[in-house]
Amino acid sequence: QKEVEQDPGPLSVPEGAIVSLNCTYSNSAFQYFMWYRQYSRKGPELLMYTYSSGNKEDGRFTAQVDKSSKYISLFIRDSQPSDSATYLCAMRSENYGQNFVFGPGTRLSVLP
Amino acid sequence: GAVVSQHPSRVICKSGTSVKIECRSLDFQATTMFWYRQFPKQSLMLMATSNEGSKATYEQGVEKDKFLINHASLTLSTLTVTSAHPEDSSFYICSARAGGGGEQFFGPGTRLTVL
Repeated sequence: QKEVEQDPGPLSVPEGAIVSLNCTYSNSAFQYFMWYRQYSRKGPELLMYTYSSGNKEDGRFTAQVDKSSKYISLFIRDSQPSDSATYLCAMRSENYGQNFVFGPGTRLSVLP
Repeated sequence: GAVVSQHPSRVICKSGTSVKIECRSLDFQATTMFWYRQFPKQSLMLMATSNEGSKATYEQGVEKDKFLINHASLTLSTLTVTSAHPEDSSFYICSARAGGGGEQFFGPGTRLTVL
């Protein structure tokens, strides 16, 4: 079992839809969780950064962490064609010396 | 968020030559920088972790003599692909970790094509 699992997609939704992107993980020590957006041929861009459980909202994006289920989500409201990209989750433990572990990414297409 | 730059953004070279890629954190000091490789439609593959002033830690299967990493200052790390071959053609991305919470910020990537 991989440490971090993510459905690779592609996920296609119509413009304006609510998108739900998810990752599951196996290491209960993970405490820091990040979501990145990566456009084709570009470096990943940090979208959301959360610590431990709970929700965090930033504009159209909401990150949710459920540590009891080892499950994190990124919700995108009112999705736009410009949201079409690959979304990567990443996480690590409290041990600052450890690297983040990345999921394989989910490809999202928002159709106009 | 913090800004990380990479140079060059694209490089084409002949087989057997060496290529240097620079990664800079522009508005913060990064004690740790990471180098990744990404093949088309695949996820990021961590190559090595470098801490300022010390030797890089390479992931299993990554040849340290082929991929030379130098982290000379808190804002600059370089990756040199020595004696490049066509199979080294890939998208190379660096990231830098800020202090405190430890967020990682990525550079825009460098596309290497070895003919």
